Amino acid sequence: QKEVEQDPGPLSVPEGAIVSLNCTYSNSAFQYFMWYRQYSRKGPELLMYTYSSGNKEDGRFTAQVDKSSKYISLFIRDSQPSDSATYLCAMDVWGGNTPLVFGKGTRLSVIA
Amino acid sequence: GAVVSQHPSWVICKSGTSVKIECRSLDFQATTMFWYRQFPKQSLMLMATSNEGSKATYEQGVEKDKFLINHASLTLSTLTVTSAHPEDSSFYICSASEDYNSPLHFGNGTRLTVT
Repeated sequence: QKEVEQDPGPLSVPEGAIVSLNCTYSNSAFQYFMWYRQYSRKGPELLMYTYSSGNKEDGRFTAQVDKSSKYISLFIRDSQPSDSATYLCAMDVWGGNTPLVFGKGTRLSVIA
Repeated sequence: GAVVSQHPSWVICKSGTSVKIECRSLDFQATTMFWYRQFPKQSLMLMATSNEGSKATYEQGVEKDKFLINHASLTLSTLTVTSAHPEDSSFYICSASEDYNSPLHFGNGTRLTVT
């Protein structure tokens, strides 16, 4: 079993839809959870950074962490064509300045 | 916010030559930087951890003599791909964090093509 599992998609949704992206993991020691957005031929851009279980909201983005189920989610409301990218979940034990364990990434296309 | 700059963004080289990629933290000091490699439609794979003033730590399977890392200052780490071969063609990305309580930020990557 891989440490982090993420459905690679592709996922295609109409503009304005709510998008749900998910990852599961096996290492119960993970405490820090991140979502990165990566456009083609660009480096990953940090979207959300959360510690332990709970929800965090930032504009149209909401991150949820359920440590009991080892499951994290990213919701995108009112999706836009500019949201079309690959979304990578990442996590680690110590937080900051330590290498991350990444999911494979989910390719999202938002169709106008 | 923290900015990590990478140069060049794209490089083509001939087989057998060496290529140097620079990674800079623009508005913060980074004692540690991380180098990742990404193949098409794959996730990021950690290659090595670059430590300022000391030797880099390489992940299993990464040839340290082929991928030379130098972290000479608190704002600059370089990755040199020596005697490059076509199979080294990939997307190389560096990352760094401002401190132990902050998340990693990534550079925009360097696309290396070896012909």
